[in-house]
Amino acid sequence: DQQVKQNSPSLSVQEGRISILNCDYTNSMFDYFLWYKKYPAEGPTFLISISSIKDKNEDGRFTVFLNKSAKHLSLHIVPSQPGDSAVYFCAASGINTNAGKSTFGDGTTLTVKP
Amino acid sequence: DGGITQSPKYLFRKEGQNVTLSCEQNLNHDAMYWYRQDPGQGLRLIYYSQIVNDFQKGDIAEGYSVSREKKESFPLTVTSAQKNPTAFYLCASSMRITGELFFGEGSRLTVL
Repeated sequence: DQQVKQNSPSLSVQEGRISILNCDYTNSMFDYFLWYKKYPAEGPTFLISISSIKDKNEDGRFTVFLNKSAKHLSLHIVPSQPGDSAVYFCAASGINTNAGKSTFGDGTTLTVKP
Repeated sequence: DGGITQSPKYLFRKEGQNVTLSCEQNLNHDAMYWYRQDPGQGLRLIYYSQIVNDFQKGDIAEGYSVSREKKESFPLTVTSAQKNPTAFYLCASSMRITGELFFGEGSRLTVL
């Protein structure tokens, strides 16, 4: 049973428009959520996170929204740029669980077209 | 610059051979981790260590071994018992209480 799901394997958007990447989770014990960005043949890099006590966290062009009742989070990128083209992983961890024991989704490949 | 260094970046192995992937960090992080990524899939945890001389199995530890003799180093050995070792391997570290992981650039292992 996959506890963190990214149902869209890929997403294509035009430069300057909004990119919305979605993530659903099933484990109600998850209380900390992270997004990582990964370029081919490189390790992922941390992008943004959100704690379950918040419903929104913003960092520049990146905003993460959390809907606890729906067990859903989304990453918004506005405006999208070609350099944002990468695989985006959603990850979730529970209370007293350290960062490395996060459960990862399978990733969504974002392509931003010039 | 602080970071995590993995080596080698690419490695080829014949069936039946053990190989060791190196991971070194100079971030002064207590915790270190090894993940495996297969095409189209997320990261799966192999082993992790929260302190020197201690480590725990992750979700897919069979066929792998690790050691943590120094805080900076967490090598992973892929043994001949690992039935499907061809994959992209990622090492990561984290401070004990913060959320995010810092990853190395990865090592791609191919079994011939």
